[in-house]
Amino acid sequence: GESVGLHLPTLSVQEGDNSIINCAYSNSASDYFIWYKQESGKGPQFIIDIRSNMDKRQGQRVTVLLNKTVKHLSLQIAATQPGDSAVYFCAENRSGGSNYKLTFGKGTLLTVNP
Amino acid sequence: DSGVTQTPKHLITATGQRVTLRCSPRSGDLSVYWYQQSLDQGLQFLIQYYNGEERAKGNILERFSAQQFPDLHSELNLSSLELGDSALYFCASSPQTGGLYNEQFFGPGTRLTVL
Repeated sequence: GESVGLHLPTLSVQEGDNSIINCAYSNSASDYFIWYKQESGKGPQFIIDIRSNMDKRQGQRVTVLLNKTVKHLSLQIAATQPGDSAVYFCAENRSGGSNYKLTFGKGTLLTVNP
Repeated sequence: DSGVTQTPKHLITATGQRVTLRCSPRSGDLSVYWYQQSLDQGLQFLIQYYNGEERAKGNILERFSAQQFPDLHSELNLSSLELGDSALYFCASSPQTGGLYNEQFFGPGTRLTVL
């Protein structure tokens, strides 16, 4: 597979443990956030999103927390599995009229050890 | 499989050349977005088209251009290629022009290598 970054923050967990991946965003005007998962050799895949009027949203095995005060976003993965190994990106939407641009963070490499 | 297709999967060319990357959005999606992913810059938004019209521009060089055709497929043209243009180029699509809360579906990407 291909590496998407040589100097990514990395997180290594044991199978079955919970994972927490963090992301800091810069624009206080951002009002929509998405977590993407990118496996080696593939395009980013949507995991979960959250609007700025919420501070928590849950999906299947995943939870996103948003702290607007400190401009921090986190992704929690419960009972992490080997198939969760990937690079995880947070993305923010910087709204402005009809423009829609996703600004991505640098990503975090999650490695799940069996 | 996101439903977004991109061709070619790999492209190797020389500096100074011109290439065209092609993207077919998901059936029914009107918006197409192009992104560049490099090792040092991460995923960067380049440009968005909606129903044939340019809607948003990001960090796209003047040597790069794009268009969206009546059948909604899109092409990204890269000219006067430089070594630093080597990267993964992703196309994404979404149903609407994208105001907020509009998920983008990514294609598998085109790996461009400039020698």
